[in-house]
Amino acid sequence: GAGVSQSPSNKVTEKGKDVELRCDPISGHTALYWYRQSLGQGLEFLIYFQGNSAPDKSGLPSDRFSAERTGGSVSTLTIQRTQQEDSAVYLCASSLLGQGPRNTIYFGEGSWLTVV
Amino acid sequence: SQQGEEDPQALSIQEGENATMNCSYKTSINNLQWYRQNSGRGLVHLILIRSNEREKHSGRLRVTLDTSKKSSSLLITASRAADTASYFCATVFDMDTGRRALTFGSGTRLQVQP
Repeated sequence: GAGVSQSPSNKVTEKGKDVELRCDPISGHTALYWYRQSLGQGLEFLIYFQGNSAPDKSGLPSDRFSAERTGGSVSTLTIQRTQQEDSAVYLCASSLLGQGPRNTIYFGEGSWLTVV
Repeated sequence: SQQGEEDPQALSIQEGENATMNCSYKTSINNLQWYRQNSGRGLVHLILIRSNEREKHSGRLRVTLDTSKKSSSLLITASRAADTASYFCATVFDMDTGRRALTFGSGTRLQVQP
């Protein structure tokens, strides 16, 4: 597609439920990132996929969070047993080759998650 | 804690004035990038400065980098109301942790009054 696409745009869920957030990166981009941004705060790194390499999961805040990337394209971020502190905007981004100085990262519009 | 920390957290100026935002970071970097975010949604890449560069210009944007002080500044000249947004610096650091992903600061919220 023309840009990074995320769905849903907004999600309200009850505490304890599982949620799945989807990211469709720019076609051909090998690197994909997930970030979380709480209201009025900076971005918190969650996970990074680069090609066929093992993903960098070091930013996932707990074992309730997991992500996968199928076929090197679409990624799904899953949050199990959601808690109120999970409420945030979840931003996905992609880039062509990863972290080299020429590789601009393009962000989606984010998925706003509210846990009630 | 955040790798990049922006200063000030909030800035309010009049149209036509210059806006300067600063960013400090902690570890060795490959490059430093500045992003803009409108209304809490997606970020837009503004400019990238490499660790061996000291200054870079793009339109009304001027970025400086001082690796000895581990700091960067973003200057927006002749600001416009449309520049109202949050601005984040981001760094790539893989020297200490091996992490190869952008790490963002908390951002500076810029308000340009018409």
